[in-house]
Amino acid sequence: DAKTTQPNSMESNEEEPVHLPCNHSTISGTDYIHWYRQLPSQGPEYVIHGLTSNVNNRMASLAIAEDRKSSTLILHRATLRDAAVYYCIQYSGGGADGLTFGKGTHLIIQP
Amino acid sequence: DTGVSQNPRHKITKRGQNVTFRCDPISEHNRLYWYRQTLGQGPEFLTYFQNEAQLEKSRLLSDRFSAERPKGSFSTLEIQRTEQGDSAMYLCASSLESRIEQYFGPGTRLTVT
Repeated sequence: DAKTTQPNSMESNEEEPVHLPCNHSTISGTDYIHWYRQLPSQGPEYVIHGLTSNVNNRMASLAIAEDRKSSTLILHRATLRDAAVYYCIQYSGGGADGLTFGKGTHLIIQP
Repeated sequence: DTGVSQNPRHKITKRGQNVTFRCDPISEHNRLYWYRQTLGQGPEFLTYFQNEAQLEKSRLLSDRFSAERPKGSFSTLEIQRTEQGDSAMYLCASSLESRIEQYFGPGTRLTVT
């Protein structure tokens, strides 16, 4: 079973920032937080991951709470192409194990 | 970098038949993973290879499922005696041993009639 909880769906407007929350209250000290997204009819796509510090890349930012029990994926300026299911994953495998996906958050972008 | 490819993209088979899917990972990626995704659910991890060694196979759904990666490059997933409940999207992913992120292919959609 997934160890994270996310809202089933969220809606945002194009060109506005989007904050996608995730709770991971059972996280251990060695667990990373990963985010993947899945566009319609495609395989999942890696977005970002982090351990303790906030992280930025070209796709998004990841803000991790100080107690690490929650995190927020930030899309700074949503476009219609960002409409997807976003998965937050608590992962300790170091690559030597599979990812445990939940149902994710279905992000709807309104033009 | 051509990405992870999977063939076929779609497969329709009759109940009781065997099916085999192929995954070609990104070149130089020594880790390869198989997942299954049913409608409305996130992907479910099935098995994992590092080079040609299958290091995790306890999550394969039944003994009808098997996977190989004979030369540490492409991999195949076989389902014997298919059942209607096997209808799903089968996803393959690959990664470098030195990196944690996985790169997914487009999947093979299986329909068992």
